[in-house]
Amino acid sequence: DVKVTQSSRYLVKRTGEKVFLECVQDMDHENMFWYRQDPGLGLRLIYFSYDVKMKEKGDIPEGYSVSREKKERFSLILESASTNQTSMYLCASSRQAFQETQYFGPGTRLLVL
Amino acid sequence: QQQVKQSPQSLIVQKGGISIINCAYENTAFDYFPWYQQFPGKGPALLIAIRPDVSEKKEGRFTISFNKSAKQFSLHIMDSQPGDSATYFCAASKGNTDKLIFGTGTRLQVFP
Repeated sequence: DVKVTQSSRYLVKRTGEKVFLECVQDMDHENMFWYRQDPGLGLRLIYFSYDVKMKEKGDIPEGYSVSREKKERFSLILESASTNQTSMYLCASSRQAFQETQYFGPGTRLLVL
Repeated sequence: QQQVKQSPQSLIVQKGGISIINCAYENTAFDYFPWYQQFPGKGPALLIAIRPDVSEKKEGRFTISFNKSAKQFSLHIMDSQPGDSATYFCAASKGNTDKLIFGTGTRLQVFP
């Protein structure tokens, strides 16, 4: 079974802090994704990566950056956290073929005070 | 053109009833339509998917109906069970991308 793990289930940070969210997948998937999930807005794509050191902006990249130094690990970085980044963050991975199943981690609930 | 509109936002169904969730899209280039199911505290997981060359796909109690001319697709859950209580997301994508465009989600509650 594919397993996608996220480093924290819950995080509380202060406004202005730098925040790292880590995601690891164990199925040698080429594609990795970061989404945020907000009530009434569904899942919105922040960034995705289709290869090591490659990244593409999603629909809402502002205020975020990503890093993919190894195939299995994809990090989401909030350079200076703001209260409007309080959300559930979901990581996903998929094989390098169009329209493949995306496998999601359990999510990190981030609260920015 | 990139949106997928999903309704209703929430749905309450009695055990044994039929749950119906609807989605509509504008972009005629979309050619893959999956549904994801999310239980509380878990990430979404693929439930069932359809491509526009068929009008219906059934897997157990779950059926996707697809109407290409109306640009609509729907999820039907027959004989709904309390264990089906979850949030359901429709999604769509184009053939030349790995990006999924998700609907806003429907919270389904099935009462015994």
